[in-house]
Amino acid sequence: GESVGLHLPTLSVQEGDNSIINCAYSNSASDYFIWYKQESGKGPQFIIDIRSNMDKRQGQRVTVLLNKTVKHLSLQIAATQPGDSAVYFCAENETGFQKLVFGTGTRLLVSP
Amino acid sequence: GAGVSQSPSNKVTEKGKDVELRCDPISGHTALYWYRQSLGQGLEFLIYFQGNSAPDKSGLPSDRFSAERTGGSVSTLTIQRTQQEDSAVYLCASSSLRLAGGPYEQYFGPGTRLTVT
Repeated sequence: GESVGLHLPTLSVQEGDNSIINCAYSNSASDYFIWYKQESGKGPQFIIDIRSNMDKRQGQRVTVLLNKTVKHLSLQIAATQPGDSAVYFCAENETGFQKLVFGTGTRLLVSP
Repeated sequence: GAGVSQSPSNKVTEKGKDVELRCDPISGHTALYWYRQSLGQGLEFLIYFQGNSAPDKSGLPSDRFSAERTGGSVSTLTIQRTQQEDSAVYLCASSSLRLAGGPYEQYFGPGTRLTVT
């Protein structure tokens, strides 16, 4: 599943920096959110999720922040590594509906 | 264990021909999803299967698209009379609904890149 695209927003960082990737979602009734990472030639891979009753959730080197007031989601990656280079997608879901609605993605480029 | 597999990995077809794309979900996963990813775009939901329930076909873009899931496992996505705008990567995902309150983590296959010439 390649997601090469000339028009994807791109975030370029240096190795070791912290990265913040943002996502605006559209459905105020969405109550479950996921961040996926997609490397070239591969399908999306789950990173972290958060439910709407939380504002923040932490994983290993990653933190997701949810601001329901402005319908904004962010993914923070600490100490970014070259292996983090990929396209990152946020996805939203509303309880009762099984399908995920994906954003268009952000390309993260990490320079050594 | 094996992840979600898809075949073929690449398919080039002439406009007007029919194509079949295959997905083998993770064993035991009851839910199966098909998505389409066009160049530089996010994932567009196509269809969802859950157990023996009627599939959610709300994302299929036209009646040229159909999908079936046999025996609650393997799924085939068929595109009839392909058009150039059908060119995209078609991704399959599966998930387990063992826990209450879904949805749950969807595990994606590598996708099938379809090119219609």
